[in-house]
Amino acid sequence: AQKVTQAQTEISVVEKEDVTLDCVYETRDTTYYLFWYKQPPSGELVFLIRRNSFDEQNEISGRYSWNFQKSTSSFNFTITASQVVDSAVYFCALSEARTGNQFYFGTGTSLTVIP
Amino acid sequence: DSGVTQTPKHLITATGQRVTLRCSPRSGDLSVYWYQQSLDQGLQFLIQYYNGEERAKGNILERFSAQQFPDLHSELNLSSLELGDSALYFCASSADSTPYGYTFGSGTRLTVV
Repeated sequence: AQKVTQAQTEISVVEKEDVTLDCVYETRDTTYYLFWYKQPPSGELVFLIRRNSFDEQNEISGRYSWNFQKSTSSFNFTITASQVVDSAVYFCALSEARTGNQFYFGTGTSLTVIP
Repeated sequence: DSGVTQTPKHLITATGQRVTLRCSPRSGDLSVYWYQQSLDQGLQFLIQYYNGEERAKGNILERFSAQQFPDLHSELNLSSLELGDSALYFCASSADSTPYGYTFGSGTRLTVV
């Protein structure tokens, strides 16, 4: 079974629009971590955020914000006022203490911001 | 620079050949993880080493093997290569087995022709 589901394969938005990338996870661990990574066309994985299972506080960093809801097992990512430089593939990932903290990645959402 | 160094950055080789990918973890990190990103399978965990010992295994093929040396660098060996092994291979390191300070290298792009 897929531990991390990113149902949106591709999203296109016009510059300055807001966009939300969905992530749903599945785990039986009480201690786990959730991540978002950005992969630009150059290929490297750029770390965006880490959240542990005991911290449900939402976070805002500039134009980026994250909504963590344990009740729905979701960890969604919103980009406000999108820019062309936000065009990339975004991955949500889960790490469980029980399985040694290897990462389970979702299939990624390819975001295209149209100028 | 993430501090995790992967070499080479690009590799082109023929089917049936064997290659070795190298990873130098960030200074002080004891854990090394290998991941494969392919079009078919997405990003998936292959194997983890902690201070020289294998700690966890994921979907790693029998044709693939890895090791971590006393200086903590790691090598991923891929043999009897097939076209489907073409992928981006990432190494990550962390100080221990927790995800704090988990850092990815920039990857090695392997093309099998």
